[in-house]
Amino acid sequence: AQSVTQLGSHVSVSEGALVLLRCNYSSSVPPYLFWYVQYPNQGLQLLLKYTSAATLVKGINGFEAEFKKSETSFHLTKPSAHMSDAAEYFCAVSEDYGQNFVFGPGTRLSVLP
Amino acid sequence: DADVTQTPRNRITKTGKRIMLECSQTKGHDRMYWYRQDPGLGLRLIYYSFDVKDINKGEISDGYSVSRQAQAKFSLSLESAIPNQTALYFCATRTGGESSDTQYFGPGTRLTVL
Repeated sequence: AQSVTQLGSHVSVSEGALVLLRCNYSSSVPPYLFWYVQYPNQGLQLLLKYTSAATLVKGINGFEAEFKKSETSFHLTKPSAHMSDAAEYFCAVSEDYGQNFVFGPGTRLSVLP
Repeated sequence: DADVTQTPRNRITKTGKRIMLECSQTKGHDRMYWYRQDPGLGLRLIYYSFDVKDINKGEISDGYSVSRQAQAKFSLSLESAIPNQTALYFCATRTGGESSDTQYFGPGTRLTVL
């Protein structure tokens, strides 16, 4: 069965600092992996996705994530945090090409001035 | 206009009441989903539908029912609401076929059951 863990329910960084949000997954087949962002009072918006092509995936707003099969990880990074990055971030895994997802519990990112 | 809309956006109700949450989409997608979001648990799938005649239970369907009235509409009902159904509910859509793997989410409905 597929599952997702996100280490750290709340991460705080200073503006301009590196953002690192961790995601580890378990899957019985090569997975599709996704990062979604949820801004306050809004629905989820796709940041980026891994679908078995390049292992380093670039998304919107300067975010990127690297698929590491040996570590079963798909960590999200951004070199320099901006105040507008403050939101909740969800990692998700799909074993059936995105037909059904299992979401992680989410990580709330705070950006301090 | 938003591609995926949900009504109402907020609802407060009492235990035992019947509640319907509605979702409409203008994306022309075949597949629609209902999730609930609880703090620390992420999103959990309640029901999903691959077309008007295809309804499937998700991880946590007990206490819920759905209706796919048309390709563009997918409603979630709580026949007799209970307090532990207090949550944020999201509708999502996806086009069919393996070539598309992205779900698009509505803005959410915040439901409180007293």
